[in-house]
Parts: sequence; structure tokens; C-alpha cells
Amino acid sequence: GAVVSQHPSRVICKSGTSVKIECRSLDFQATTMFWYRQFPKQSLMLMATSNEGSKATYEQGVEKDKFLINHASLTLSTLTVTSAHPEDSSFYICSAREVRNAKAEAFFGQGTRLTVV
Amino acid sequence: AQRVTQPEKLLSVFKGAPVELKCNYSYSGSPELFWYVQYSRQRLQLLLRHISRESIKGFTADLNKGETSFHLKKPFAQEEDSAMYYCALSGLSGGSPSGAGSYQLTFGKGTKLSVIP
Repeated sequence: GAVVSQHPSRVICKSGTSVKIECRSLDFQATTMFWYRQFPKQSLMLMATSNEGSKATYEQGVEKDKFLINHASLTLSTLTVTSAHPEDSSFYICSAREVRNAKAEAFFGQGTRLTVV
Repeated sequence: AQRVTQPEKLLSVFKGAPVELKCNYSYSGSPELFWYVQYSRQRLQLLLRHISRESIKGFTADLNKGETSFHLKKPFAQEEDSAMYYCALSGLSGGSPSGAGSYQLTFGKGTKLSVIP
């Protein structure tokens, strides 16, 4: 099956700094990628949909100036958490899926554990 | 609008007992439904999809349009089945007079299955 790689898998940063998370589709072209946040022992929360070559679509309640998403190529999307605070500490997961096909499987990255101290 | 409901956050069963993870959906069209699983320290992955009508790791799920349900079942639970299970619905989002649109994947909040030895 297709592979989605996320980097880094774990990052610790100081409060007020910015952190960039990369999501790459290794063997297919992902026109659309999705960014999720997962709190401990809770479900996935869709943050935004990242479209190659255009602006990301953010879910209600997600600050677009705080969570910057760039999808510059068909194989790479990045999420930058700007001016991170301890409450941003979470598990961030990216996913890629063909959105023109109702039956298409979603492929997930391994996730990034962000800790803001 | 499309919605997926998993009423149980946590389900504990003894090894060898039958398992049923409930999933109900709300969607006006003809849905495509999936079950995804997240084992401890692993990424989310597809378990099965309704269109395949197959049994994966002993699990089956039948789409019941009358009850708008897609419950996941296994006759005899194993310890290795302990994981987080997410039901997901793929439905058409947006669109144009020409019929173009994209299929949004909506996840339920997940059910944590714990199999007691």
C-alpha cells in the first residue's frame, strides 16, 4: 500500500518558538492531504485540508495564522505551529487520500508528538 | 451534512468473547463506509471497507441502510485486537452543476477496545 511519512516523530520546543512538521507521500502524488490533531485518549480532530498549489481549508475553530499549512508539491505538505504554547502540545497526524474517489483509502503518517515546554 | 457516531468510547471484553463495535451514520446519499484501526504505537490503518465484503483478522462489518449502521463484529476476541477503532464515512462534499466535487472522509470519535486475557 501507499506510504505517508511524517517527520519528525517527536519534537520538544520552547514556548514562543515555531515548529515545522513535514508530511510526505513516498510513492504516490497526493493532491490533497489532511492534518489531524489527537489529544490523549481522544479521537482525531480534523484541523485542515491541504490542497496542492492553493490555500488550505481550515476547520472551524482552528486558527490559520497559528497553524500554517503549505502544500507546495504533490508529495509534500508542511504544518508549522507558530509561537507554540504548552496547550499546543499534542499528537499531530497527517493523511493523504484521493478525494475524487469515494472508495479511496486514506493513508496516514506515523504522527508527530509535539511537546511545548 | 455527514456524521458518524460511535456511542462507546471504551469497550472491554474477555478473550474469546464476541465483540461488536457500534457505528451509526447520517448521510443523505449512498455512503461508502470504512473501519480504521490504530494499534498501540502504530499509525492508523484501514481495517476493512464495506464495499469489499471481506473478513479481515476475523472482523466483519455489514452495512445496514435501514438502520444506518455499520457495526464491526468479531465472534471471538483476541488480545491482539486491543486497539482504537474508528468508523469512517466517505461522502460527497460540495460540488458543481457538472457533478464535480470531492469526497470527504468523516471519522467517528473512536472506540477503544480492550480485550482482557
